[in-house]
Formats: sequence, C-alpha cells, structure tokens
Amino acid sequence: SQQGEEDPQALSIQEGENATMNCSYKTSINNLQWYRQNSGRGLVHLILIRSNEREKHSGRLRVTLDTSKKSSSLLITASRAADTASYFCATVSSGGSYIPTFGRGTSLIVHP
Amino acid sequence: GAGVSQTPSNKVTEKGKYVELRCDPISGHTALYWYRQSLGQGPEFLIYFQGTGAADDSGLPNDRFFAVRPEGSVSTLKIQRTERGDSAVYLCASSEQGGQPQHFGDGTRLSIL
Repeated sequence: SQQGEEDPQALSIQEGENATMNCSYKTSINNLQWYRQNSGRGLVHLILIRSNEREKHSGRLRVTLDTSKKSSSLLITASRAADTASYFCATVSSGGSYIPTFGRGTSLIVHP
Repeated sequence: GAGVSQTPSNKVTEKGKYVELRCDPISGHTALYWYRQSLGQGPEFLIYFQGTGAADDSGLPNDRFFAVRPEGSVSTLKIQRTERGDSAVYLCASSEQGGQPQHFGDGTRLSIL
C-alpha cells in the first residue's frame, strides 16, 4: 500500500513559472523525503524534512510540512525544461520502521 | 565516488525461468532496499537489509521471491518460476542508515515473455 499521495498527478507549465506539488499522508511520520526521477533512471533524493521542521530550502526548491494536516508541498521556482521529471514524496513513519513509503508521484513537464 | 550499480540493466526471459538481479550499493552504506516499480507508479517496497540480515521482508509478494546480502555489501534478488506479472523495473537503493536519504541505482528492467 502507498502512504503518500501526490497531487496533482500531472502538471504542465512554461519555463520560468513556478511548480507546486503536494503530498498527503495518513500516519505519523519521523521524516518526509522528496525525490525526482527522470525517465528510465533511478530516483534522486532532493530534500528531507523532519517532523519537527516546517520549511526547508535547497536552491530553487522549497519544501513545507504541516503535520497537523498530514501534508507537504514541494515548490520549484523559476522552472527550467531540465526540471521535467516525476516527483515523489516518501514518508518514514515514527513507529520505528525504516521503510520509506512512496506515493504515485507527480509528472511534471516544463515547456521551453 | 561510485553510486549504486545494478546489473543487468535489462533482462528478458521466458515465463517459468529463474532470474537473479544484482545490486552493488555505495561502499559503507549499511541499509539496502529493494523496490519494484510499475509504469506510472511509485516504488513498491520489497525488502530491507540492515547489514547482512533482512530487517523487513514484508514486501516480498510470495515465496518465489528471495533476496540475500551475505557479506553486508552486494545483494542479489532472486525470482523463481517467473510469471508475466513479475515484469517491472526492480530498483535497489542504499543509505548510510535506515530511514535516511536513499541513493538509487538505475534499476533492472525485467520482462517476462
């Protein structure tokens, strides 16, 4: 079963625009991680946010976490064609399991 | 340094055959994970190793699937009596410790004819 659910499933934008993807989950978490996956490749880790953190930044990426709503968002600012990929959130539960559980992902297309 | 390496990158075999998929994790990473990914889906957990032992194998779909990591480094996922439904991309990931950011290989695309 998949704990995280990304929204939207697909997103198509123009270069230079911002892209926002959301992730909702069901159980208490230790941390939440965002990954990107280019077609035919493995996943690449982007950002990890812990349950006691509310916001983290890395370059053009901004991640927020609202544990009361059990949701997270990933914002990519000033998008580029090279940002075209699938983006996944993965949750690590607070119950002692070290198994990141992935959602179905958001497919982002950035048009040049 | 080298990332996670998976071999073969592609494997095509007939229904009923036995296959082995190999994963070379990043040196020093104690945690190793196997996932299965179908088209348009996220990675589905199969098994998690901490060192040499399988800490959690609850994701293995049935007893045709087995994985080992005898020396705490390289891991092999073994599938017996393959079925067409086993066709998917099999991903391996490693991390310094369980629950930490994972480094993924590019996967083995398994096709069962």
